[in-house]
Amino acid sequence: GDSVTQMEGPVTLSEEAFLTINCTYTATGYPSLFWYVQYPGEGLQLLLKATKADDKGSNKGFEATYRKETTSFHLEKGSVQVSDSAVYFCALLRGGSQGNLIFGKGTKLSVKP
Amino acid sequence: EPEVTQTPSHQVTQMGQEVILRCVPISNHLYFYWYRQILGQKVEFLVSFYNNEISEKSEIFDDQFSVERPDGSNFTLKIRSTKLEDSAMYFCASSLQGADTGELFFGEGSRLTVL
Repeated sequence: GDSVTQMEGPVTLSEEAFLTINCTYTATGYPSLFWYVQYPGEGLQLLLKATKADDKGSNKGFEATYRKETTSFHLEKGSVQVSDSAVYFCALLRGGSQGNLIFGKGTKLSVKP
Repeated sequence: EPEVTQTPSHQVTQMGQEVILRCVPISNHLYFYWYRQILGQKVEFLVSFYNNEISEKSEIFDDQFSVERPDGSNFTLKIRSTKLEDSAMYFCASSLQGADTGELFFGEGSRLTVL
């Protein structure tokens, strides 16, 4: 079945460091891909998405490119801030699905000043 | 900013008891969802709901689960006879458009502990 695998955490970085969180997926057809973020004490929030191959999603300095050839959707940010500390979830939605988002396990990021 | 609210934030119940988890979606949203996350595991889809009926459900969403939108503002998840393995964080979400085009907005979750 469809699945998402993302790098295990936790990830600890210093402020202004470069961030990469790897995400790969297995899916039939052409899924849409998402990154969600969960800040402490809050619900999951959509960070960015891409709906087709080679699309780049971006938001708040984060980027991810939908790579069909490597079935990947890695999250990157050039310079992280303390306020980026959160849990990041990669997810896919199969074409035609009415809401069955398939999530990765989540990666906890801690950014130290 | 509009948000999805869930109650209770934490509920402890005995095995075999019925539980109702409540959600107030964002007011103009039309699509509603429940997900759950067992401790240490992935967030899993349970059900999506649109136009007063279930539009998709997962294998997890068996006969012991039901959803309802009783009054146009609340969206509830009922677990008829809880089992130990139902212990999880349950997330409600809503969206203005379908999940393929619209953004899902999640609540903070309701933690269910079954003893």
